[in-house]
Amino acid sequence: DTGVSQDPRHKITKRGQNVTFRCDPISEHNRLYWYRQTLGQGPEFLTYFQNEAQLEKSRLLSDRFSAERPKGSFSTLEIQRTEQGDSAMYLCASSAGTGGDQPQHFGDGTRLSIL
Amino acid sequence: RKEVEQDPGPFNVPEGATVAFNCTYSNSASQSFFWYRQDCRKEPKLLMSVYSSGNEDGRFTAQLNRASQYISLLIRDSKLSDSATYLCVVNGAGGTSYGKLTFGQGTILTVHP
Repeated sequence: DTGVSQDPRHKITKRGQNVTFRCDPISEHNRLYWYRQTLGQGPEFLTYFQNEAQLEKSRLLSDRFSAERPKGSFSTLEIQRTEQGDSAMYLCASSAGTGGDQPQHFGDGTRLSIL
Repeated sequence: RKEVEQDPGPFNVPEGATVAFNCTYSNSASQSFFWYRQDCRKEPKLLMSVYSSGNEDGRFTAQLNRASQYISLLIRDSKLSDSATYLCVVNGAGGTSYGKLTFGQGTILTVHP
């Protein structure tokens, strides 16, 4: 399978714990995006990388959230001190090129549930 | 005001019907536009891009009116397999924002026999 891969598919944790998600983009895709989707809403942009550089961050990305893409390949999204409002589907997407005009291909997402 | 607004529906139509979805966006500097489809508990998938001249892909026709900041999607001869949520999507206005997609809430379509 050469699509965008996300791990884990599901994560259940207690409030206050830290969680980390991983995204493996389509090979050689320069851009990698993180979105968050809650029930009944469309995905909301969180951040994106062009190669290893993080170019934009949403105001939704509080200081408890951090994302990295250290070698310009896979990316991780960490949430510290999770809160119940963090429960959502976290989607990763990747696209080719560097201009932002190429189609974004999404992974299956990581569903986070905070108890 | 939301950046991208859609009627959430749901739209319930019989097989073979024609159905149209509309969407408005607030940033007049937005440069590119898309419709994505999302099945229940699945990831969004690109359905089609939307161009100012209008474009068609089989039973699907997309239109863009930049002056009115309005996007539409028309589905002809609906199939049961068209049942999904249709997301109106606007790309960022430029610079580092280009590539940052803003999604509407989504319009739920159910096609019944």
